[in-house]
Amino acid sequence: GNSVTQMEGPVTLSEEAFLTINCTYTATGYPSLFWYVQYPGEGLQLLLKATKADDKGSNKGFEATYRKETTSFHLEKGSVQVSDSAVYFCALSVFNYGQNFVFGPGTRLSVLP
Amino acid sequence: KAGVTQTPRYLIKTRGQQVTLSCSPISGHRSVSWYQQTPGQGLQFLFEYFSETQRNKGNFPGRFSGRQFSNSRSEMNVSTLELGDSALYLCASSFSGQVANYGYTFGSGTRLTVV
Repeated sequence: GNSVTQMEGPVTLSEEAFLTINCTYTATGYPSLFWYVQYPGEGLQLLLKATKADDKGSNKGFEATYRKETTSFHLEKGSVQVSDSAVYFCALSVFNYGQNFVFGPGTRLSVLP
Repeated sequence: KAGVTQTPRYLIKTRGQQVTLSCSPISGHRSVSWYQQTPGQGLQFLFEYFSETQRNKGNFPGRFSGRQFSNSRSEMNVSTLELGDSALYLCASSFSGQVANYGYTFGSGTRLTVV
């Protein structure tokens, strides 16, 4: 089946530190990959995506590259801010139907000033 | 343009009652999916609707049901509430057949507390 594994949190960093949140996946077929972010008390917001191997998604200083050979989609940011504190979800979609949109368990990030 | 709107934002219900949650998708989005989010189970898929028809269903008991109207608005209903139904219920919409290309747009959710 399809699944997403993320590094366990919480992750605590100081402001301006480098961020990496690991994400690996298992999928039948060729998935599209996504990172979503959830701020306290809110729903999920799409942060970035990549629809094919070697694509790089980027947004708001965050980046992730679709690595087919390692089945990974690690999220990175060069310098985190306190406002980046949130829960980050890696997800995949193999088909266009909801049941095949699979989320990882989420990684909570706390950035300290 | 307006995002996905979920109402109400917060609900407190008593065990055994039923509840109806509402979701208005982004204009033009005809696919609506529902998810349950809890600290222990994470995000779990409930069901997806397209053109007033349930297209996919997750592994939830029959107490959980939904429907979609001709204007794409969707409702989900939970009957005979249990304490374990306390969760954040998220609605997400997309253009039909484009989830893999564009992902979902989520609403802010309805926080249901069962006491």
